[in-house]
Amino acid sequence: DSGVTQTPKHLITATGQRVTLRCSPRSGDLSVYWYQQSLDQGLQFLIQYYNGEERAKGNILERFSAQQFPDLHSELNLSSLELGDSALYFCASSVGWAEDTQYFGPGTRLTVL
Amino acid sequence: AQRVTQPEKLLSVFKGAPVELKCNYSYSGSPELFWYVQYSRQRLQLLLRHISRESIKGFTADLNKGETSFHLKKPFAQEEDSAMYYCALRGYGQNFVFGPGTRLSVLP
Repeated sequence: DSGVTQTPKHLITATGQRVTLRCSPRSGDLSVYWYQQSLDQGLQFLIQYYNGEERAKGNILERFSAQQFPDLHSELNLSSLELGDSALYFCASSVGWAEDTQYFGPGTRLTVL
Repeated sequence: AQRVTQPEKLLSVFKGAPVELKCNYSYSGSPELFWYVQYSRQRLQLLLRHISRESIKGFTADLNKGETSFHLKKPFAQEEDSAMYYCALRGYGQNFVFGPGTRLSVLP
């Protein structure tokens, strides 16, 4: 699969814990975007990285952080998890940082118990 | 503030009927607007964006700055158009804001 990949597919954890979600962009894409989708908040943009640098920031909580590594994969770290953090977390990638089409991954479903 | 509204949670039309999915936005600058679609068991994907003014799968959308709208239209709906549709805006600081989505159901 040469598209965007995300691991794991599902994650179940407890409140107060910390998890890391991983995203591998399409080959050649330099930008990675993170989104959170929940029933009550809908689809929310969290953060964008371009070639290792933070490019745009949305509604990302201070308990959440992300980074993009030299090989361009990205990780989203969620800490001090709360029940309300249960959601589907999507990653997307694009070639450039502004004008290009975003290609989405399948998502990671996080359940916080 | 940037905001996108999609007034209809669910829209049902018959096959062959025209369809219009409504999207309104609030943004003080020049917005960049998109429609994304998610078919059942598939990934979210870009349907079209206003800057390219293209027609994808028979869908078009015109940006109306006066009415702050970006409605998605198709003259003849097909069953395969049944999906979840999201209107999105990219504005300040390249932030994306998505609407709540409209589920389109095309009935045979």
